[in-house]
Amino acid sequence: DSGVTQTPKHLITATGQRVTLRCSPRSGDLSVYWYQQSLDQGLQFLIQYYNGEERAKGNILERFSAQQFPDLHSELNLSSLELGDSALYFCASSPSWGSNEKLFFGSGTQLSVL
Amino acid sequence: DQQVKQNSPSLSVQEGRISILNCDYTNSMFDYFLWYKKYPAEGPTFLISISSIKDKNEDGRFTVFLNKSAKHLSLHIVPSQPGDSAVYFCAASGGGTSYGKLTFGQGTILTVHP
Repeated sequence: DSGVTQTPKHLITATGQRVTLRCSPRSGDLSVYWYQQSLDQGLQFLIQYYNGEERAKGNILERFSAQQFPDLHSELNLSSLELGDSALYFCASSPSWGSNEKLFFGSGTQLSVL
Repeated sequence: DQQVKQNSPSLSVQEGRISILNCDYTNSMFDYFLWYKKYPAEGPTFLISISSIKDKNEDGRFTVFLNKSAKHLSLHIVPSQPGDSAVYFCAASGGGTSYGKLTFGQGTILTVHP
């Protein structure tokens, strides 16, 4: 158990809908990262927050947004969903944000857009 | 732009033999490298890491080698065990704007046969 909690584990929805994925980092970790793993793809970095502030952004679509709350949990919001958004979404956390950080991953949310 | 590449999608090894997983990178700013292991329906778990100031790091049955001039790293597992069967991801971080985020390879499926 990594200590990172993601909910829900599975989500099935329709095109055009909006969903929210939730992540609770390990106790004491201030950084939260979101990654997307599509079929046959590696993990693609989406966005990172540190202590409530956005730190780094990857190839995140404009239809996607995220935030980190004062209690350090994070939410990833996906809107106007398309079939291609079906993927496994991972949240990870780490104590800080510098180099030499080990990221600890949750077990992921499997999103299916029908 | 695939900055971290694992060119072998899969590897099959007999129990007790050595498993060698390879990874190449293109970004010379990377200064920290990690290997993660992933079982089905679980998030990636940290296995071993190496800083760019070293060329080898060992932890039990796992050894990571880094060849900076070739921009190549490898993970050796000796002896391999059936429980090592999983997807192995190589990851890298570094550079002024990395903020700790990791860039992942596509993964290599390792199968260890009894």
